[in-house]
Amino acid sequence: AQTIHQWPVAEIKAVGSPLSLGCTIKGKSSPNLYWYWQATGGTLQQLFYSITVGQVESVVQLNLSASRPKDDQFILSTEKLLLSHSGFYLCAWRPLRDISGNTLYFGEGSRLIVV
Amino acid sequence: GEQVEQRPPHLSVPEGDSAVIICTYTDSATAYFYWYKQEPGAGLQLLMSVFSNVDRKEEQGLTVLLNKKDKQLSLNLTAAHPGDSAVYFCAVSAPGANTGKLTFGHGTILRVHP
Repeated sequence: AQTIHQWPVAEIKAVGSPLSLGCTIKGKSSPNLYWYWQATGGTLQQLFYSITVGQVESVVQLNLSASRPKDDQFILSTEKLLLSHSGFYLCAWRPLRDISGNTLYFGEGSRLIVV
Repeated sequence: GEQVEQRPPHLSVPEGDSAVIICTYTDSATAYFYWYKQEPGAGLQLLMSVFSNVDRKEEQGLTVLLNKKDKQLSLNLTAAHPGDSAVYFCAVSAPGANTGKLTFGHGTILRVHP
């Protein structure tokens, strides 16, 4: 069975400090991977997607970047955090060939508080 | 672009009653419809997915209705129990390759009280 693991579970970071959030999926080869962001008490917004190693597409500009160094790994990062980066970051995957449309399966999320 | 309105934002029902959440979308090209459940501090759990060629789908105490004419999607939890208390999100997607872009509603906080 496929599993998706995000790390860290939670972080409290200072404004201007760097950030790295990770996501690993096991049990699926060549999945499409996605980063979504959820502001506190808000809805979800797609940030990035990747369909293959080394290729990442940005959906919104939030002074964040993403990379896919391995088939099963997706990294979200920034060199300088802003207060507005606070929220809940969710990684999701979708099978390469999905006959059920755009069904996404989400990880457990990483909560970020920027102070 | 696609916009999704979800209502009500808060819903409190006694145990055993039904809970109904409704989403209205704007893009007639929308083809895929989802309901997710989020428990406190957790990720999103997929409850049900529906294609545009389906008007009604029932699974394990959940009923999803799709009214394409009115661009409305609903989730009905029949006989809700306290374990159903969570935030529920609808999400929709147009046909598309690999972008994985779902447009979410703003969520409904459901509380089922004993």
